Amino acid sequence: GESVGLHLPTLSVQEGDNSIINCAYSNSASDYFIWYKQESGKGPQFIIDIRSNMDKRQGQRVTVLLNKTVKHLSLQIAATQPGDSAVYFCAENRGNRDDKIIFGKGTRLHILP
Amino acid sequence: DAGITQSPRHKVTETGTPVTLRCHQTENHRYMYWYRQDPGHGLRLIHYSYGVKDTDKGEVSDGYSVSRSKTEDFLLTLESATSSQTSVYFCAISDGGGVQPQHFGDGTRLSIL
Repeated sequence: GESVGLHLPTLSVQEGDNSIINCAYSNSASDYFIWYKQESGKGPQFIIDIRSNMDKRQGQRVTVLLNKTVKHLSLQIAATQPGDSAVYFCAENRGNRDDKIIFGKGTRLHILP
Repeated sequence: DAGITQSPRHKVTETGTPVTLRCHQTENHRYMYWYRQDPGHGLRLIHYSYGVKDTDKGEVSDGYSVSRSKTEDFLLTLESATSSQTSVYFCAISDGGGVQPQHFGDGTRLSIL
């Protein structure tokens, strides 16, 4: 499998509980944020995104919260399932319609049976 | 995976040899990106393209070149591979650059001995 994810922060959650994965960003001009999920041996998979004119956005079993005051982003996964086990990355666009996004280091989500 | 094919999926080669990785998309997206992923560093942008024959450098572009002669193909070349370029390489595509989600291929694992 992939060696990606060595020494990553790990969040262990009981199956069925809610998971909250956090991400801090430093650039106050960042205006677009994305969460990705990466399973072993695969590329990152888009989960949900949010623009800076919003505080909250919901998808299927996932919610992203954006707190611009403290430059904090979180991903909430409801009723965590074994299939949610993966590495989760936040990414940001640093404004001015930049063509690029910058990825965080990632958090490994481990599901306890 | 959003019509993205990376080839080869695995390659082992020797220091000093040239290597070309290919990314092919069937989505007709304008933007294409090459990243490398290493433990402890997350995803780092190597080069990207914003149109046919239009490319720009990313964060870790030294030792790499790219070409995009048609919309669907984006090539990454290591002119003279070094052991520090051992990594997993991901291609991504986007219809809106950094203001819409990027969608990723499943990666190429490259080992340089």
